[in-house]
Amino acid sequence: EVQLLESGGNLVRPGESLRLSCVASGFPFSNFAMHWVRQSPGQGLEWVSAYSAHDGSYYSDSVRGRFRVSWDISKNTFYLQINNLRADDTAVYYCAKSTKKEVPRPCLESWGQGTLVTVSS
Amino acid sequence: DIQLTQSPSSLSASVGDRVSITCRASQDISHYLAWFQQKPGKAPKLLICGASTLQSGVPSRFSGSGSGTDFTLTINNLQPDDIATYYCQQVDSYPWSFGLGTKVEIK
Repeated sequence: EVQLLESGGNLVRPGESLRLSCVASGFPFSNFAMHWVRQSPGQGLEWVSAYSAHDGSYYSDSVRGRFRVSWDISKNTFYLQINNLRADDTAVYYCAKSTKKEVPRPCLESWGQGTLVTVSS
Repeated sequence: DIQLTQSPSSLSASVGDRVSITCRASQDISHYLAWFQQKPGKAPKLLICGASTLQSGVPSRFSGSGSGTDFTLTINNLQPDDIATYYCQQVDSYPWSFGLGTKVEIK
């Protein structure tokens, strides 16, 4: 059974940094593209970032330059480093597994439960 | 970037009704559209990929159709368990954007 478990969310001040983690189990981690999607309180879904060994990393315009994805295959863990946090980064951050090893044209079949990042002074 | 327009933004229907949610893309995305269901406090759940391919375990009362710019999610025989917000996502062109959602309620 595929499981994704996010962690690392916290209450932080504007300008601070945070690293989110997504521990994956139940599938060969390195064979699939992984994505981050966020949801601000009471709002809709926003695609944020993606990574695969096949295609490298992708970012939305709103986070490029401040967010960085990486993964540690030995730990089956996918990371999202968030720098220079802003109030509008406040959201639940979900990691999601694609059905494919390539990043483009994803089909996000499995999602974690999410981790909450709150940015406030 | 491709914009997705979902309608209606909310709807209320009776148990057993058929409901339809539409998603219109700002440009041709072929069949590269997914539908998600999200219940309050939960992660989104993939219902349909490729505009019409139902995911394993999803009840057959859900169906998707369309291609190009116009797509529809249909729920036949609406059930209380279907109360949720439904999102479309275009997966044709980066960045892979979502619609704003349609909240489905039971009368």
